[in-house]
Amino acid sequence: QKEVEQNSGPLSVPEGAIASLNCTYSDRGSQSFFWYRQYSGKSPELIMFIYSNGDKEDGRFTAQLNKASQYVSLLIRDSQPSDSATYLCAVPPRGGGNKLTFGTGTQLKVEL
Amino acid sequence: DTGVSQNPRHKITKRGQNVTFRCDPISEHNRLYWYRQTLGQGPEFLTYFQNEAQLEKSRLLSDRFSAERPKGSFSTLEIQRTEQGDSAMYLCASSPQRAPREQYFGPGTRLTVT
Repeated sequence: QKEVEQNSGPLSVPEGAIASLNCTYSDRGSQSFFWYRQYSGKSPELIMFIYSNGDKEDGRFTAQLNKASQYVSLLIRDSQPSDSATYLCAVPPRGGGNKLTFGTGTQLKVEL
Repeated sequence: DTGVSQNPRHKITKRGQNVTFRCDPISEHNRLYWYRQTLGQGPEFLTYFQNEAQLEKSRLLSDRFSAERPKGSFSTLEIQRTEQGDSAMYLCASSPQRAPREQYFGPGTRLTVT
């Protein structure tokens, strides 16, 4: 089982809808989770992170953690065409160490 | 506050040549990371520095790869005797001491080995 798994997509949603992106992780002890947005040909941009103590909302973005099922979700409300990108989930190792293990990303397409 | 910068942005080299990439982190960040990304994959960790100390290296980092951060500021990544399989985007990221896992990426260096 991979440490971090994401459905590669593409996930297509109409403009104004809620986009829901999921990421499953294998280490039950993981305590922090990071979401990056990557436009085609560009580098990843950190957009959201949460810790195991709760969900987080930032503008149109909400990150939710389901510890029992070991997945973390990123919800994008009022999706815009500019949200079309690949969304990468990343998890650091439990305990010490700071390297991030990334999933392969989910491609999101917001259609007019 | 300027972001992470990387140079060059693109590099085309012939197999067997050596290449060196440079990364300048965000000025107050003491941690610096190198990742490699190929098409359709997420970034893969290569190595990281805390100040000038190289604290972790991935098994992906063969003996042809070496990284330095001599004064705890900028870093270089050198690949010796390049192979076609080294073609990838090489990404540098940095993070502050207060939040070492919040990593901010530079624009990357795209390497093409012909």
